[in-house]
Amino acid sequence: KQEVTQIPAALSVPEGENLVLNCSFTDSAIYNLQWFRQDPGKGLTSLLLIQSSQREQTSGRLNASLDKSSGRSTLYIAASQPGDSATYLCAVRLLANQAGTALIFGKGTTLSVSS
Amino acid sequence: DTGVSQNPRHKITKRGQNVTFRCDPISEHNRLYWYRQTLGQGPEFLTYFQNEAQLEKSRLLSDRFSAERPKGSFSTLEIQRTEQGDSAMYLCASSFAFEQFFGPGTRLTVL
Repeated sequence: KQEVTQIPAALSVPEGENLVLNCSFTDSAIYNLQWFRQDPGKGLTSLLLIQSSQREQTSGRLNASLDKSSGRSTLYIAASQPGDSATYLCAVRLLANQAGTALIFGKGTTLSVSS
Repeated sequence: DTGVSQNPRHKITKRGQNVTFRCDPISEHNRLYWYRQTLGQGPEFLTYFQNEAQLEKSRLLSDRFSAERPKGSFSTLEIQRTEQGDSAMYLCASSFAFEQFFGPGTRLTVL
């Protein structure tokens, strides 16, 4: 059974710091991995999608890497801002012929950036 | 706004009542998903539609839950005889290819 773990569960940093959020998954047979942001009481905003054949994706100050063989992904946030404060969720999609198309989520890392 | 929309945004009901939620996916997205999220947890998959066909159902989707997607457009999720354990955020997502886009969710509180 695929399990997704995110470490740390919570993180507090001062504004301007670069930071790394970690995601690990137990089954390397994934189709893709997606990082999301969730503000309190709100839905999910897709940040980055990495296909299993890719090593990384970048969008603005965000960079996500994927090491499928070791079952790990990292989300790097450069020059953090108070507006980055939110919960960040990692989710994997298993290969279609194994378990359909559902995303399997970790519990998230709650980030707080102070000004 | 061309994103995924969900209605209502909040629903408070008494135990034993039936509730129905609606999801309108992004136009032309043929895939639609329902997830449930409880406090401090990541979303958990409930069910998946490709066009009007319900192709996958999680074991979380008990007999009290039913979902439809008539004509492959909007979808409804109905919970019959609600229980306090059904209190959660119900999220809908849609996709055309690989990336899933989520709506704002419907928060259900069962008293």
